[in-house]
Amino acid sequence: AQSVAQPEDQVNVAEGNPLTVKCTYSVSGNPYLFWYVQYPNRGLQFLLKYITGDNLVKGSYGFEAEFNKSQTSFHLKKPSALVSDSALYFCAVRDQAGTALIFGKGTTLSVSS
Amino acid sequence: DAGVTQSPTHLIKTRGQQVTLRCSPKSGHDTVSWYQQALGQGPQFIFQYYEEEERQRGNFPDRFSGHQFPNYSSELNVNALLLGDSALYLCASSSGLAGSEQYFGPGTRLTVT
Repeated sequence: AQSVAQPEDQVNVAEGNPLTVKCTYSVSGNPYLFWYVQYPNRGLQFLLKYITGDNLVKGSYGFEAEFNKSQTSFHLKKPSALVSDSALYFCAVRDQAGTALIFGKGTTLSVSS
Repeated sequence: DAGVTQSPTHLIKTRGQQVTLRCSPKSGHDTVSWYQQALGQGPQFIFQYYEEEERQRGNFPDRFSGHQFPNYSSELNVNALLLGDSALYLCASSSGLAGSEQYFGPGTRLTVT
């Protein structure tokens, strides 16, 4: 069965420093991987996706993610964090049927000024 | 261009009652998925509708049912509400193309007392 793990409940980083939010996945076949961000009392906003091709994917708001097939990881990164990046981040993988998204539990990112 | 919209924003119901939540997809999207997000958890897939048919269903009881209309809008119905049904219900729309991302609405916060 497909699954997603986000090993850190919370990541703390100072403004201007690089950030990484970790994600590992388990899926049969080639994965479709996604990152979403959720602000308090809001729905999820799409950040980026990996379908195929280049292992480094660039997305919205300066975020990028690196797909590593051998480590089954899809870590979210940003070179310089902003206080406004503070939010809840979800990694997701699409299931074999190609319909449902399977989400991790989420990682709270806190950026201090 | 309107994104995904959901109504109502908040809802309070009593155990045993029935509830209907509504969703209008993003313009150009024909596929609607519903997710349940309990407090502190990632979204859980309920079901997906395409061409007015339920295409896939997650691990939810038959008390959860849905419908898609010819204009692609959708309803989620929950019968015989339980306290455990209290959650944020998210609607997501997509184009149905392989690899396409899902865009989420702001959600409906359901509280069952």
